[in-house]
Amino acid sequence: GENVEQHPSTLSVQEGDSAVIKCTYSDSASNYFPWYKQELGKGPQLIIDIRSNVGEKKDQRIAVTLNKTAKHFSLHITETQPEDSAVYFCAASPNFGNEKLTFGTGTRLTIIP
Amino acid sequence: EPEVTQTPSHQVTQMGQEVILRCVPISNHLYFYWYRQILGQKVEFLVSFYNNEISEKSEIFDDQFSVERPDGSNFTLKIRSTKLEDSAMYFCASSGLAGAGDIQYFGAGTRLSVL
Repeated sequence: GENVEQHPSTLSVQEGDSAVIKCTYSDSASNYFPWYKQELGKGPQLIIDIRSNVGEKKDQRIAVTLNKTAKHFSLHITETQPEDSAVYFCAASPNFGNEKLTFGTGTRLTIIP
Repeated sequence: EPEVTQTPSHQVTQMGQEVILRCVPISNHLYFYWYRQILGQKVEFLVSFYNNEISEKSEIFDDQFSVERPDGSNFTLKIRSTKLEDSAMYFCASSGLAGAGDIQYFGAGTRLSVL
């Protein structure tokens, strides 16, 4: 089955700096790669996703890149703000959303004011 | 904005007891899921449900687990005889569009504590 690795497990950045979180996956059949943000006491919330026919996607301060050949994808957050502090999970799925998600181990991002 | 609702937020039970975790998915969604997250660990897939039947289940989802959509709005996860290792946060999720795929929206979770 699919295995998703995520690094780093913790990340602290100064407010205003950029943060990068990286994930690798094992199953070449995976085609859908969402990123979820989980705040304390809440469920995961989708912040951005990318599908295998696209190499990069951007939404304001958040961007995701995908390298299918190398089987890795990354989340980039620019101009970080205190409210970006949370746990971030990457995930992979063999189909475009309506199948099980295999999650990475999570990255606890702390923004230092 | 529509959301997935889960009740209760925290369930405490004795080992060996049955528990039912309840979820109200987003109203026009067709696909339903349960995931769990043991404290400090990754979110793990348990089961997916579509067209009134299980479409996929993980190794974790053994005979002590069952899911049901008893009416047009609720989606439940039953654990027949709870074990200490079932203690976790359980998340319900739903997604909408048939065929081409859709985003999975998660509820806030039910924290299950088995004593």
